[in-house]
Amino acid sequence: EVQLVESGGGLVQPGGSLRLSCAASGFTFSSYWMSWVRQAPGKGLEWVANIKQDGSEKYYVDSVKGRFTISRDNAKNSLYLQMNSLRAEDTAVYYCARDSTHWGQGTLVTVSS
Amino acid sequence: DVVMTQSPLSLPVTLGQPASISCRSSQSLVHSDGNTYLNWFQQRPGQSPRRLIYKVSNRDSGVPDRFSGSGSGTDFTLKISRVEAEDVGVYYCMQGTHWPPFTFGPGTKVDIK
Repeated sequence: EVQLVESGGGLVQPGGSLRLSCAASGFTFSSYWMSWVRQAPGKGLEWVANIKQDGSEKYYVDSVKGRFTISRDNAKNSLYLQMNSLRAEDTAVYYCARDSTHWGQGTLVTVSS
Repeated sequence: DVVMTQSPLSLPVTLGQPASISCRSSQSLVHSDGNTYLNWFQQRPGQSPRRLIYKVSNRDSGVPDRFSGSGSGTDFTLKISRVEAEDVGVYYCMQGTHWPPFTFGPGTKVDIK
C-alpha cells in the first residue's frame, strides 16, 4: 500500500525557515516524480514544486522561486521542502503527492508573529 | 500560465439526482503527444484530495462508475449520474499539459439540498 507521511509543519515567524519531510513507502520511490501541493485555510489547491526521479530536474511555482527548495533522498525514500523567507501567504496545509494519484495527509505550516 | 475556471462554484444537489461541473482552460489542453492532461479531484471534508479522473475521461481505480468525465480542447465536464451522500465535498479540475506550473480550478463545492 502506498503511504506518504508528511512532517515538519508548525508555527514560524515571518522571515523564518522550516523544512518539511515526506516519508514514502509501499512503492519504488526512486521511480516517480514527486510533488508538493499546498492549500491555504479554506482555499483551493496550489501546486508548489516537483522533482524528477533522480533529482536532476526541479520546478517551482513563481511565488516560491528563490525561497523554497525541493529535494529528495532516494536511499531514505524521502522528499523534502526547505522553506526560507516565509511569508504570511505561505500559511497552508502542505501535501506530498506522487503523480497526483497518491497524497499524504498534509502538514500545516502557519506563518505568523 | 494556464488559467482554469469552474462553474458553478457551489452546487446544491438532491440525493439520487445528477450533477454536472464545468471546467474551462485559458488555452487548449491538447499536448504535443496527442493526450489531453485534464484531471478531476474530489476533496471530502477534512480529507486529502483524491484523483477521480485522469486524461479527461479515465476513471481511477476504485472510483464509482457514477462519475464520468468528458470534453476536449478547453471545455471539460465532470458528471455524477446519481449523487450519493458520500459525494459531498469540493471538486477540482487540474491541467497537466502546460507545466510548470500545474494549475487547478478554484473548486466546486457540492452539498446536499
